[in-house]
Amino acid sequence: AQKVTQAQTEISVVEKEDVTLDCVYETRDTTYYLFWYKQPPSGELVFLIRRNSFDEQNEISGRYSWNFQKSTSSFNFTITASQVVDSAVYFCALSEAAPGGYQKVTFGTGTKLQVIP
Amino acid sequence: ETGVTQTPRHLVMGMTNKKSLKCEQHLGHNAMYWYKQSAKKPLELMFVYNFKEQTENNSVPSRFSPECPNSSHLFLHLHTLQPEDSALYLCASSQERIYTGELFFGEGSRLTVL
Repeated sequence: AQKVTQAQTEISVVEKEDVTLDCVYETRDTTYYLFWYKQPPSGELVFLIRRNSFDEQNEISGRYSWNFQKSTSSFNFTITASQVVDSAVYFCALSEAAPGGYQKVTFGTGTKLQVIP
Repeated sequence: ETGVTQTPRHLVMGMTNKKSLKCEQHLGHNAMYWYKQSAKKPLELMFVYNFKEQTENNSVPSRFSPECPNSSHLFLHLHTLQPEDSALYLCASSQERIYTGELFFGEGSRLTVL
């Protein structure tokens, strides 16, 4: 069975600090996809990044970076020089193909990030 | 503007009421989902429709009844709910038969059951 663990429930940082959100996953599949989503106060989850299980190359997009390590089953997300607009709940998710042809996505419980001005 | 629209955004209902949540997607997707988001819990997948056919029902109580009349619209009919059903209900869509893609979410319907 799939499982995604985000041990950090809430994090508060002061603006311009760096912050890392942890994500640990469990799956028996060899082929899977990992995602990060951002949920601002408005409610909708916004896709940030996708990583497949065969690509461990780290990725950087502006102030965001992701560290995928299969050896530790982790997919951590770092925000550099945090800004108030980064305040949101961040979800890590794991996706596998389901027999019906759709994707079965398992979400973590989310990490609420508060960036203090 | 999000490609997935949910109405109403907020709903308060008594336990004996009957109401419906509506979801519409303008992205050309054929898979649509209902998720329940409760405080301090992971998002719970409730129902999945793929090409208008229900492909998953995650042991959801019968007081929740989904309907998918076409690939662009998804409803969640509510009746005889309990206070513990109060939550944010999120609709999502994705490309069918592709599990590599992201889900596209609506802003959710905040439900309060009195």
